[in-house]
Amino acid sequence: KNEVEQSPQNLTAQEGEFITINCSYSVGISALHWLQQHPGGGIVSLFMLSSGKKKHGRLIATINIQEKHSSLHITASHPRDSAVYICAVDFGNNNDMRFGAGTRLTVKP
Amino acid sequence: GAVVSQHPSRVICKSGTSVKIECRSLDFQATTMFWYRQFPKQSLMLMATSNEGSKATYEQGVEKDKFLINHASLTLSTLTVTSAHPEDSSFYICSARYMGVMAFFGQGTRLTVV
Repeated sequence: KNEVEQSPQNLTAQEGEFITINCSYSVGISALHWLQQHPGGGIVSLFMLSSGKKKHGRLIATINIQEKHSSLHITASHPRDSAVYICAVDFGNNNDMRFGAGTRLTVKP
Repeated sequence: GAVVSQHPSRVICKSGTSVKIECRSLDFQATTMFWYRQFPKQSLMLMATSNEGSKATYEQGVEKDKFLINHASLTLSTLTVTSAHPEDSSFYICSARYMGVMAFFGQGTRLTVV
């Protein structure tokens, strides 16, 4: 079983829809990252969070440490949001990170 | 905020040549840097962990003579893909750890070997 489970694997939405991507992990972590990767492109760090909620523009990330679960929300989705979204968990203490398999989001106009 | 700069973002090279990828922490000293590789339709996988001034620790199955890692300073780690082959074509990304706690990502490098 992967230490980091993301769902859904693929998501297609109409422009303007509210999007939710989920990430669950199995052991305690020091932080969780949400990353965005456009096709053929590099990685953009969206959020790093260890508790609560963060908001940046139309993006919102939440984390529940007790339930070992995080969500990434996109409000008023737009075709330019089409990308792969990856969650990465950080175990801290100079350990490496583990990544979810990614969620491929396609937003249709 | 802390920034990790990775260069180049894209590189195309001929088979048999070597390619160097740099990972630089711009405003903090990175105690540890990690190198990851992304296989098609798979998660990013750890290749090696590098600590400044010491030899990198490679994950099982990663050829240390093929993927040379040098962590010469607290702000710079390099990954050199030696004698590159088309199967080395992939997306490589580094991350740098600050104070043993917070970690930040580079933008990644897409390597194509022709």
